[in-house]
Amino acid sequence: SAVISQKPSRDICQRGTSLTIQCQVDSQVTMMFWYRQQPGQSLTLIATANQGSEATYESGFVIDKFPISRPNLTFSTLTVSNMSPEDSSIYLCSVDYRGQKDTQYFGPGTRLTVL
Amino acid sequence: AQSVAQPEDQVNVAEGNPLTVKCTYSVSGNPYLFWYVQYPNRGLQFLLKYITGDNLVKGSYGFEAEFNKSQTSFHLKKPSALVSDSALYFCAVRDPVPVNYGGSQGNLIFGKGTKLSVKP
Repeated sequence: SAVISQKPSRDICQRGTSLTIQCQVDSQVTMMFWYRQQPGQSLTLIATANQGSEATYESGFVIDKFPISRPNLTFSTLTVSNMSPEDSSIYLCSVDYRGQKDTQYFGPGTRLTVL
Repeated sequence: AQSVAQPEDQVNVAEGNPLTVKCTYSVSGNPYLFWYVQYPNRGLQFLLKYITGDNLVKGSYGFEAEFNKSQTSFHLKKPSALVSDSALYFCAVRDPVPVNYGGSQGNLIFGKGTKLSVKP
């Protein structure tokens, strides 16, 4: 399975600021995904990131609020912009190993608290 | 539209007893089905999956799941629960992706999660 790391592991931020979360994978992958897990809730997909193309956002998520970069096949960033307390969540990246029958493996997550 | 239901918010089991965490799904065609576990302050860990073949799938940490097409269920089971199994369990479904898929096709849809509590 993939080894996936995320930075930071947690952060406490002030309202109105932005935070960039990094996701690093130990091998090249085609697809990377960003999820949000609000307190006590399940996971919701924010967007899918392909290398070399614009990210594809799910309904309810927009690029201005959650800009994503995917500069190469092992790295992606998610920025949470102009944060409000409602953005307090765990943000997880995952990767799709096509060679393993479409199983997604997840990073450890970034726990964000917005004051 | 695809959906996944985990009807129990919490399951309580005594250590050493068998456990079952329920999952039912609604999807057109033949789905890919997954179970993930989330320990406190940790990310999601993959437990097992059903793609095709034998309806009984074995996974990590002694867990297994049974795919039942007629009941559209994929319940997670373990013959003898451990206190260390206490965690949040998520069932997920995914459409088999077409060869040239892109964008949001074939994404994972998660259930709301079931908290498993195993008492000594």
